[in-house]
Amino acid sequence: EIVLTQSPTTTAASPGEKVTITCLASSSVSNMYWYQQKSGASPKLLIYSTSSLASGVPDRFSGSGSGTSYSLTINTMEAEDAATYYCQQWSSNPLTFGSGTKLEIK
Amino acid sequence: VQLVESGGGLVQPGKSLKLSCSASGFTFSSYGMHWIRQAPGKGLDWVAYISSSSGTVYADAVKGRFTISRDNAKNTLYLQLNSLKSEDTAIYYCARSVGLDYWGQGVMVTVSS
Repeated sequence: EIVLTQSPTTTAASPGEKVTITCLASSSVSNMYWYQQKSGASPKLLIYSTSSLASGVPDRFSGSGSGTSYSLTINTMEAEDAATYYCQQWSSNPLTFGSGTKLEIK
Repeated sequence: VQLVESGGGLVQPGKSLKLSCSASGFTFSSYGMHWIRQAPGKGLDWVAYISSSSGTVYADAVKGRFTISRDNAKNTLYLQLNSLKSEDTAIYYCARSVGLDYWGQGVMVTVSS
């Protein structure tokens, strides 16, 4: 099983600040996916195939990486971005998620 | 695209439950589908996958106890949960593959005596 380790576990950012969340895989993966989950809501796809923006997602979000190291960046933090973020791989079974990064607004 | 789960509830350990996910707004038969769960206050936990041709894959934690299936004529995905344990208590979501681009609102399953 490929284990995804996210960091940080929790972080806070001021409006306008740049935020980066990293996801390290225990083995090389070909693609990474990122999801945003707000309190009480279902997860929402943000980034697919490592760096492609899902439909309707603001372009302040971006994804990058390769092999075992991936990242999600929010270029300019907004209040509505406060949420928990998860990375996910399915390069091999089972599909696995990272443990999540809780992002708060300062 | 809309995915609507149903069938959750309170069930005793060792008992069974069947969840449904009604799909609309897309050609259901052309897509693989997943079940993913989230225990209260915890992260996301993948449960099972069924391909458009009904091939299946399961997480080790549910293999032999849960069965994923689909009825393309009814545009509905199912998850049969047998031999339920307290650790199966979670919100269960259905989601469309490949990237999990659409999710349902989730249905709560509580396993308790």
